[in-house]
Amino acid sequence: DTGVSQNPRHKITKRGQNVTFRCDPISEHNRLYWYRQTLGQGPEFLTYFQNEAQLEKSRLLSDRFSAERPKGSFSTLEIQRTEQGDSAMYLCASSLDPGGINEKLFFGSGTQLSVL
Amino acid sequence: QQQVKQSPQSLIVQKGGISIINCAYENTAFDYFPWYQQFPGKGPALLIAIRPDVSEKKEGRFTISFNKSAKQFSLHIMDSQPGDSATYFCAAQDTGGFKTIFGAGTRLFVKA
Repeated sequence: DTGVSQNPRHKITKRGQNVTFRCDPISEHNRLYWYRQTLGQGPEFLTYFQNEAQLEKSRLLSDRFSAERPKGSFSTLEIQRTEQGDSAMYLCASSLDPGGINEKLFFGSGTQLSVL
Repeated sequence: QQQVKQSPQSLIVQKGGISIINCAYENTAFDYFPWYQQFPGKGPALLIAIRPDVSEKKEGRFTISFNKSAKQFSLHIMDSQPGDSATYFCAAQDTGGFKTIFGAGTRLFVKA
């Protein structure tokens, strides 16, 4: 168990550029989540995958955001035409579907995005 | 819409003292209440969790107290240590749900 891995750890970009983040979940975990965390706040849910299927997207996720999880393994989160308000820590978490029983999330260390 | 309200925002406790963090929720469909601990530069990590069919759960120095009628729950850290200095988040999840809703967090500093 090597934990949830996120890359890059830090990303600085100019407003209007596109950025892509990667998340490698714990290998046997079939659920994968993206959260966003701003300074002084708790993580906010963005989207959720069960294997390769994206089952839920938050209203926080504008059309500029897209997430994929091909083959149910790693996931990518892309932000197009970045805005300064996109600056935040983007956290990935994974879990093993407990079959309806409340679950434990395993978080990565996040990607800190700064939009200049 | 803040479904889980957490207080205080920050807390300073002397080494050996008791740290108490409080949370309140609105959605009665919530049935699982985890607490996460986050150190700077790291993602949150599950610390302890409780279901509403019990009023208290203890793991080592960490205790959750749960009041279902008041829709409130709290984290108590006994014998607080400098290594406990971190941000603590209460959270809530509904039956069979996939979405964990987090509180805004409490920054705890334990003075040596």
